[in-house]
Amino acid sequence: QVQLQESGPGLVRPSQTLSLTCTVSGGSISSGDYYWSWIRQPPGKGLEWIGYIYYSGSTYYNPSLKSRVTISVDTSKNQFSLKLNSVTAADTAVYYCARRDYYDSSGYTYWGQGTLVTVSS
Amino acid sequence: DIQMTQSPSAMSASVGDRVTITCRASQGISNYLAWFQQKPGKVPKRLIYASSSLQSGVPSRFSGSGSGTEFTLTISSLQPEDFATYYCLQHNSYPPTFGQGTKVEIK
Repeated sequence: QVQLQESGPGLVRPSQTLSLTCTVSGGSISSGDYYWSWIRQPPGKGLEWIGYIYYSGSTYYNPSLKSRVTISVDTSKNQFSLKLNSVTAADTAVYYCARRDYYDSSGYTYWGQGTLVTVSS
Repeated sequence: DIQMTQSPSAMSASVGDRVTITCRASQGISNYLAWFQQKPGKVPKRLIYASSSLQSGVPSRFSGSGSGTEFTLTISSLQPEDFATYYCLQHNSYPPTFGQGTKVEIK
């Protein structure tokens, strides 16, 4: 059974960089069958797609965040990571990592449990 | 970006009620529409894909329909475990965008 687990600081200062890692277990991140994604949800609000990475390193980002986002992959550790720079209070959210099926672009079938990141001084 | 507008934003319903949630896209998305259910403190779970296909393991009381710009999620007979927030997701074009959610509460 595939499991995803987010890790990283729960508090980030304004203007600093938010950094999260998603560790994948029970399956290889190097499988060509999936995109590895980040999605976030501000408290009490809806879902926002941040971007994804393929095991080869190719990425696609939400244009609304593209100037501030970097998603990377470390196949040796079976992990992928999110960096969001110049954060503000508007970036406070639960951040989820998720696996999306390659041929099914709504196929977000496995998710991490989510990690709350608060942006505050 | 394609904007997805759900209605209503919230609703109260009783067990056994028929519930219909609507999602409208700001431009045509063919049938590239999925529905997710999210319970408090839990991750979203896909119920419907390709507008009307039922995800394996999801009860048959859930159904979806629509194409183009207007879509509906119907729960034929609301059960206690169905009280949750429902989101539509368009994946016709990047970036994929979610509706703002419809919270179904107990009347």
